[in-house]
Amino acid sequence: GAVVSQHPSRVICKSGTSVKIECRSLDFQATTMFWYRQFPKKSLMLMATSNEGSKATYEQGVEKDKFLINHASLTLSTLTVTSAHPEDSSFYICSAVVAGGRLDTQYFGPGTRLTVL
Amino acid sequence: GENVEQHPSTLSVQEGDSAVIKCTYSDSASNYFPWYKQELGKGPQLIIDIRSNVGEKKDQRIAVTLNKTAKHFSLHITETQPEDSAVYFCAARRNSGYSTLTFGKGTMLLVSP
Repeated sequence: GAVVSQHPSRVICKSGTSVKIECRSLDFQATTMFWYRQFPKKSLMLMATSNEGSKATYEQGVEKDKFLINHASLTLSTLTVTSAHPEDSSFYICSAVVAGGRLDTQYFGPGTRLTVL
Repeated sequence: GENVEQHPSTLSVQEGDSAVIKCTYSDSASNYFPWYKQELGKGPQLIIDIRSNVGEKKDQRIAVTLNKTAKHFSLHITETQPEDSAVYFCAARRNSGYSTLTFGKGTMLLVSP
């Protein structure tokens, strides 16, 4: 149980284009999802917290107009990297908290490797 | 805010040996401490967690200990196997409101056959 999927697993795009990453909770409903970014050999950096039906809460220094987050249902959150540039290349990971369960137990997706040329 | 320190950054052991990874935290209000295993190119996988009302928790070859007074917690892996090789992250969180996990910087564990 508690499986989180991400799609796509890898994406390569040209500079200036937008890329959408999907995060789905497969066997549970998630009122809260999180988006992280991870650089090589580094720890996870929280970008934003997404609650179903409301606006995402972004961490300090994360551009909300660049990283658009939509949590339209209890099983799906999307991260759109708008006008992507090479510095946006990174490993993006989502995680989800079981609705009605403990707020602290987070299950992570497999990650999406974004490469911007 | 919370600050989590993790040591060592790399740890090499022989198969069958034990491995210990230690973390300290700064926020005395933190009461949830998970450990994640991340293999190369994959997302973190929750392997064990502990809450502040217990001092130790075991799951087969993995155990976690918590010392709230000293504000540190440790991951113990016994009888290590090559498939244990990965990066391990500790984290801490207040179990209230919209608190989020604060992660340590990770430990790369290498288990040699």
